[in-house]
Amino acid sequence: EIVLTQSPATLSLSPGERATLSCRASQNINTYLAWYQHKPGQAPRLIIYDASNRATGTPARFSGSGSGTDFTLTISSLKPEDFAVYYCQQRSNWPPITFGQGTRLEIK
Amino acid sequence: EVQLLESGGGLVQPGGSLRLSCAASGFTFNAYAMTWVRQAPGKGLEWVSGISGRGADTYYADSVKGRFTVSRDYGKKTLYLDMNNLRAEDTAVYYCAKAPHSGPGSYGDYWGQGILVTVSS
Repeated sequence: EIVLTQSPATLSLSPGERATLSCRASQNINTYLAWYQHKPGQAPRLIIYDASNRATGTPARFSGSGSGTDFTLTISSLKPEDFAVYYCQQRSNWPPITFGQGTRLEIK
Repeated sequence: EVQLLESGGGLVQPGGSLRLSCAASGFTFNAYAMTWVRQAPGKGLEWVSGISGRGADTYYADSVKGRFTVSRDYGKKTLYLDMNNLRAEDTAVYYCAKAPHSGPGSYGDYWGQGILVTVSS
């Protein structure tokens, strides 16, 4: 089973700042990684797939990078609606499909 | 517009059974794989099961294998998750999600709002 480790667990930033979230895989997953945004009481939302492709409707301030075992989600200038929990997910070696434990992005 | 609506959740005793449904609309149901993902209270997302577009291939997390069964009804455009021998650790919000293609090993590009299952005596 591929383990995804996200860091930091919590990130405290202000609107307008740049956010950098990390996801590390326990083995090579090429670029088979997605990022989701999840707000309380809402459905998770796919924002990045295959490491660097923005999903339909994802604003340009979101970008993804990485390959192999190290991946990054960057939000260039935070807006109030961006504060949420972010999960990475791999589809390289399954079953099982696995998720990271999440990074909580909170307002400072 | 793609819409996914879960139903069938609720309170069930340990050892009991429950059937979750996910009514789909806005896309060609048999062309896309579907997935169940859950989130236990205070925890992260956990993949539970996946089924291919045509229904021929099904996959399960080890934690539910032998107890849960995923299926789909094309006439009703509905995805199901039959859950048997439920345990306290199955307590979670269950989400159905649509994959972007027919193979089940993929991402979820659209998700339902989720349905709560509570296993408790």
